[in-house]
Amino acid sequence: DGGITQSPKYLFRKEGQNVTLSCEQNLNHDAMYWYRQDPGQGLRLIYYSQIVNDFQKGDIAEGYSVSREKKESFPLTVTSAQKNPTAFYLCASSDLALTNYGYTFGSGTRLTVV
Amino acid sequence: SQKIEQNSEALNIQEGKTATLTCNYTNYSPAYLQWYRQDPGRGPVFLLLIRENEKEKRKERLKVTFDTTLKQSLFHITASQPADSATYLCALEDVRRYSTLTFGKGTMLLVSP
Repeated sequence: DGGITQSPKYLFRKEGQNVTLSCEQNLNHDAMYWYRQDPGQGLRLIYYSQIVNDFQKGDIAEGYSVSREKKESFPLTVTSAQKNPTAFYLCASSDLALTNYGYTFGSGTRLTVV
Repeated sequence: SQKIEQNSEALNIQEGKTATLTCNYTNYSPAYLQWYRQDPGRGPVFLLLIRENEKEKRKERLKVTFDTTLKQSLFHITASQPADSATYLCALEDVRRYSTLTFGKGTMLLVSP
């Protein structure tokens, strides 16, 4: 089955610690995205990538970093510079043409600062 | 920047009725608009995409309309079922960033038996 896998499902981070969230897709999609969702808020775009070895900042990129070394993978690192990292993180992928299929989302990673 | 408004109050309806959710946006009209369903603790699931030159689109019990003059999309679920209870998100293409989407906050739908 084709899909997008995020891991871990739950992640706890100590103050001052960097953590990396994994996102892998086997849909052969060119574009991948990271969104953050907070209670009562819409999804906010952190980073996106349309092609391997290239990515762009979204609306809330500060305190985050990404890489796109392989088409299938788009890991997100939450650095210690992110002051309020507790949130639900969603990874998505899509065809660039976005025919009639929209985005495919993973099941999310819930990050909590302890 | 684009601002998307969805009713923040939950919509409560009885099973069998038609649910209608609203998505309003400001500024430019996007080339397309999408609707997603999100269950608690899960990622959104794509439902329908409607383009600016399409007035209406249907998929089984779902219908979406897109009025670029009113800057509004309506999302209808006919013959609603308790299993339709979820949060529904509206998303618009962001012309500043090719193929990225800007999402509304969503409207929760509760269908009672």
